[in-house]
Amino acid sequence: AQSVTQLDSQVPVFEEAPVELRCNYSSSVSVYLFWYVQYPNQGLQLLLKYLSGSTLVKGINGFEAEFNKSQTSFHLRKPSVHISDTAEYFCAVTHPQAGTALIFGKGTTLSVSS
Amino acid sequence: DTGVSQDPRHKITKRGQNVTFRCDPISEHNRLYWYRQTLGQGPEFLTYFQNEAQLEKSRLLSDRFSAERPKGSFSTLEIQRTEQGDSAMYLCASSSRTGGESSYEQYFGPGTRLTVT
Repeated sequence: AQSVTQLDSQVPVFEEAPVELRCNYSSSVSVYLFWYVQYPNQGLQLLLKYLSGSTLVKGINGFEAEFNKSQTSFHLRKPSVHISDTAEYFCAVTHPQAGTALIFGKGTTLSVSS
Repeated sequence: DTGVSQDPRHKITKRGQNVTFRCDPISEHNRLYWYRQTLGQGPEFLTYFQNEAQLEKSRLLSDRFSAERPKGSFSTLEIQRTEQGDSAMYLCASSSRTGGESSYEQYFGPGTRLTVT
C-alpha cells in the first residue's frame, strides 16, 4: 500500500521569502509523484510531476521539486513567494500504471503575508 | 478545452434524501475519477471509469453510493439516504489515454460541496 505524509500542516512565510513544503511517501513499489495546488473554493491544479529522469522537476508558477529515492521524499520549493501563492498544497503518489488513483497527503496550507 | 465541469457546485440536503451530482470531463479524455474531500484532508479516491466501464471502486464507496458513465462521456454520482457523514466536497477528475506522460495527469473540476443537515 502507498501513503503520503506532508510534514507541515501550515507554513506561514513573508512575501519574497523562500519556502519548502515537505512530502514523504511510503511504497513497496516504484511510484510517480505529483504536487497539486488548491485555491479556495476551487478544484486542484497540477503544479508539477515526477515520472522518471531528472530528479529535479520544474513546474508552473516558479515552483520546483526534487525526488529523493533514498529519503523517499519529494519536497516542493520556491525561491521567492508571492501573496498569490497563498493556497493549499497537496502531494500525491500513484502506481506507474495509467489509470490508477492518486493517493493524497493531508495538505499543507501556505500563508504568504506582506 | 473547457476543462472539467461539475454540477451543482453546492448542494444542501436533509438527512435521508437522495442526491445526484454530474461531471463532464474534458472532451477527449476517456478516464474519469471521483474523489471525496473532507475538511482538512486530502482528496480520497472513490471510483474510476475507463470509457463506460467502472474499473475500480474504493471501499469508501458504500452500497448507498452509485456511479455511472453511460456513454463514456459525462458521469453521475448518486448518494442514496444521505447521512451527515456524507458532507464533503466531491471532486471529479479526468485524464486521457493518449499514452506517455500526459496519461498520468489528472485534471480536476471545481467540485460539488454537499452539506447534509
